[in-house]
Amino acid sequence: DSGVTQTPKHLITATGQRVTLRCSPRSGDLSVYWYQQSLDQGLQFLIQYYNGEERAKGNILERFSAQQFPDLHSELNLSSLELGDSALYFCASSFGTREAETQYFGPGTRLLVL
Amino acid sequence: KNEVEQSPQNLTAQEGEFITINCSYSVGISALHWLQQHPGGGIVSLFMLSSGKKKHGRLIATINIQEKHSSLHITASHPRDSAVYICAVRNTGNQFYFGTGTSLTVIP
Repeated sequence: DSGVTQTPKHLITATGQRVTLRCSPRSGDLSVYWYQQSLDQGLQFLIQYYNGEERAKGNILERFSAQQFPDLHSELNLSSLELGDSALYFCASSFGTREAETQYFGPGTRLLVL
Repeated sequence: KNEVEQSPQNLTAQEGEFITINCSYSVGISALHWLQQHPGGGIVSLFMLSSGKKKHGRLIATINIQEKHSSLHITASHPRDSAVYICAVRNTGNQFYFGTGTSLTVIP
């Protein structure tokens, strides 16, 4: 158990809909990272937050947004969903923002868009 | 062209064999990560390297910054090592790039 929690574990929805994925980092960790893992594109980095502020942005679509709240949990919002958004979404946390830090991964949310 | 290339894509080994998985990258990096993903989907970070070599139990990871290459070694492999191993790099611009993974099966 990494100490990172993600909810829900599974999500099935329809095209055009909007969903929110939630992540609670390990106690004491200030950084949260979001990743998408799909069958055709593998793992991709979406976005990083540190202590409530956006720190780095990867291949995050404009239809997707994220935020980190004062209690350090984070939410990833996916809107106008398309079939291709079906994937495993992981969040990970680390203590700070140093480049050379171990990340601890949550169990993932499996999203299926029908 | 992928920023991170891993080889081999698939690997089958007999229990007890010494295993090497290779990772080459094309960007300047601040850190390289080796991740393990089990069939259930969960990801565990095995190593984070910015130079040299690290060892944890039967696992050894090395990195050569000049050659932009890293290797993950598993000594005395065991069926429980069966998983997908993923190399990831964080570049100096805070972007992450991932290899496509090496699927390892260790046969008893």
